[in-house]
Amino acid sequence: DIQMTQSPSSLSASVGDRVTITCRASQSISNSLNWYQHKPGTAPKVVIYVASSLQSGVPSRFSGSGSGTDFTLTISGLQPEDFASYYCQQSYSTPYTFGQGTKLEIK
Amino acid sequence: QVQLQESGPGLVKPSETLSLTCTVSGGSISSYYGSWIRQPPGKGLEWIGYIYASGSTNYNPSLKSRVAISIDISKNQFSLRLSSVTAADTAVYYCARQGAYTLLDYWGQGTLVTVSS
Repeated sequence: DIQMTQSPSSLSASVGDRVTITCRASQSISNSLNWYQHKPGTAPKVVIYVASSLQSGVPSRFSGSGSGTDFTLTISGLQPEDFASYYCQQSYSTPYTFGQGTKLEIK
Repeated sequence: QVQLQESGPGLVKPSETLSLTCTVSGGSISSYYGSWIRQPPGKGLEWIGYIYASGSTNYNPSLKSRVAISIDISKNQFSLRLSSVTAADTAVYYCARQGAYTLLDYWGQGTLVTVSS
């Protein structure tokens, strides 16, 4: 299985801040990396797919980059609705695997 | 707007079979894959497996001996069965549609299944 290592596991930030979450794969996954936002009790939502493509309807303050084994999710200008958990997921090969998640909290 | 909704018992006894159904609305499942994912309390997300409209399946090897996913195109539903459950199978179970780029593009809100006597 491809292991996904995500960091940090938690992050405190303020409205307006710029934050970056990283995800590392245990082997090259090309650009087959997706990012999801999850709020408790709701359906997880795609924010970035194939490493850097912004999902339709997602604000442009979200961006993704990387290829191979190292990836980042950046949120520029945090808004109150952005405080949630974020997960990376590789879709390069089955079994699909996820990072352990980053909980983004208000400072 | 595509929506998915999980349904099934919230409590299952040890050694019994967990059964959940995912109902898709706002779009047909006939051209997509349907996946199941779970999240044990305080732990990360684990992909369980998927099924295509043709009935072909792919399961996580860690669960393969106990998992079966089926599909009913006429009802726009797909289902999960997990046999011989233990407390370690207690989790929130999500269904998701898998579309282009093998992306899990739409998810249900999840249902908590507790394994306890």
